Amino acid sequence: DSGVTQTPKHLITATGQRVTLRCSPRSGDLSVYWYQQSLDQGLQFLIHYYNGEERAKGNILERFSAQQFPDLHSELNLSSLELGDSALYFCASSVALGTGSNEQFFGPGTRLTVL
Amino acid sequence: GEDVEQSLFLSVREGDSSVINCTYTDSSSTYLYWYKQEPGAGLQLLTYIFSNMDMKQDQRLTVLLNKKDKHLSLRIADTQTGDSAIYFCAESASNTGKLIFGQGTTLQVKP
Repeated sequence: DSGVTQTPKHLITATGQRVTLRCSPRSGDLSVYWYQQSLDQGLQFLIHYYNGEERAKGNILERFSAQQFPDLHSELNLSSLELGDSALYFCASSVALGTGSNEQFFGPGTRLTVL
Repeated sequence: GEDVEQSLFLSVREGDSSVINCTYTDSSSTYLYWYKQEPGAGLQLLTYIFSNMDMKQDQRLTVLLNKKDKHLSLRIADTQTGDSAIYFCAESASNTGKLIFGQGTTLQVKP
């Protein structure tokens, strides 16, 4: 158990809908990262938050947004869902800003299926 | 650019050593990581190495880094059936904290 929690574990929804994925980092970790894992794209970085502020963006679609709250949990919002958004979404947390060894600990993931 | 390459599949017999290889392109990467993913599970951090090191050993795991060739390997000694999983190599993109992952190597351990 990494100490990172993600809810829900599974999500099945229809095209055009909007969903929210939630992540709670390990106690004491200030950084939260979101990654998408799909069969065709592999593991791709989406976005990084540190202590409530956005620090880096990857190949995140405009239909996707995220935020980190004062209690450090983070939410990833996916809207106008398309079939191709079906994937595993992972959250990871680390103590550091992004420098140093920056070990990232991953949650169990949320499996999103868009029908 | 940033790119990490791994071979897709490796099959070994229980008790043998496994060697999983990885090449990366970002010479400014300061840390390189190995993660393990079991079916239906998240990624488990196995080990990492700082770019000024050549080798790091942690129990059954040995990481070798050839910085000149941008080549990283993970050796698992005395491989067990419980080691069957997908292994990901990752580099830390300079100062952003994001990890760039390889495609993953599926390790199959035969009894």
